[in-house]
Amino acid sequence: KNEVEQSPQNLTAQEGEFITINCSYSVGISALHWLQQHPGGGIVSLFMLSSGKKKHGRLIATINIQEKHSSLHITASHPRDSAVYICAVSPGSTDKLIFGTGTRLQVFP
Amino acid sequence: EAGVAQSPRYKIIEKRQSVAFWCNPISGHATLYWYQQILGQGPKLLIQFQNNGVVDDSQLPKDRFSAERLKGVDSTLKIQPAKLEDSAVYLCASSLARPSYYLNTEAFFGQGTRLTVV
Repeated sequence: KNEVEQSPQNLTAQEGEFITINCSYSVGISALHWLQQHPGGGIVSLFMLSSGKKKHGRLIATINIQEKHSSLHITASHPRDSAVYICAVSPGSTDKLIFGTGTRLQVFP
Repeated sequence: EAGVAQSPRYKIIEKRQSVAFWCNPISGHATLYWYQQILGQGPKLLIQFQNNGVVDDSQLPKDRFSAERLKGVDSTLKIQPAKLEDSAVYLCASSLARPSYYLNTEAFFGQGTRLTVV
């Protein structure tokens, strides 16, 4: 079993829909990261959070440390949001990043 | 602020050939990472540098992979000889400082080098 699990693996949506991507992890962490990867391969860091909730534009990330769970929400989704969204955690005892396998999102007009 | 630069963006080689990738991290970033991302999987850490020293290379296949970070700035990752299973995207990332339990610093990623071994 992977230490970081994401769901769903694939997600399709119509433009304007509210999107939720989930991440569960099984290790103690000091931070959780949400990353966005476009087809070219480059990765952009969206959020780094260790508690509560963060918001940036149409993106919202929440984390529940007790339940070892985080969600990434996209409001009013747009085709340009189409990408792979990756959850990664920083285990408390090391400075490595452990990555989930990603959620592939496609938003259609 | 300039981002993490990687080159080349794409490379196609035959098995048993050699290949090298280059990474220029964000200026002032002490920590540099090389990741391998096989299609459909999350990135896997190959090696982590703190300045010009190796912090973690436990998952680097040392019989064929090597990496260096001379002068603690640019880094190169080499594969010699390449195998078919080395086909992947190789990502370089950098962060300002070495993360610890009490201090998490954000990692910034380059565009990656897509390697195809035929």
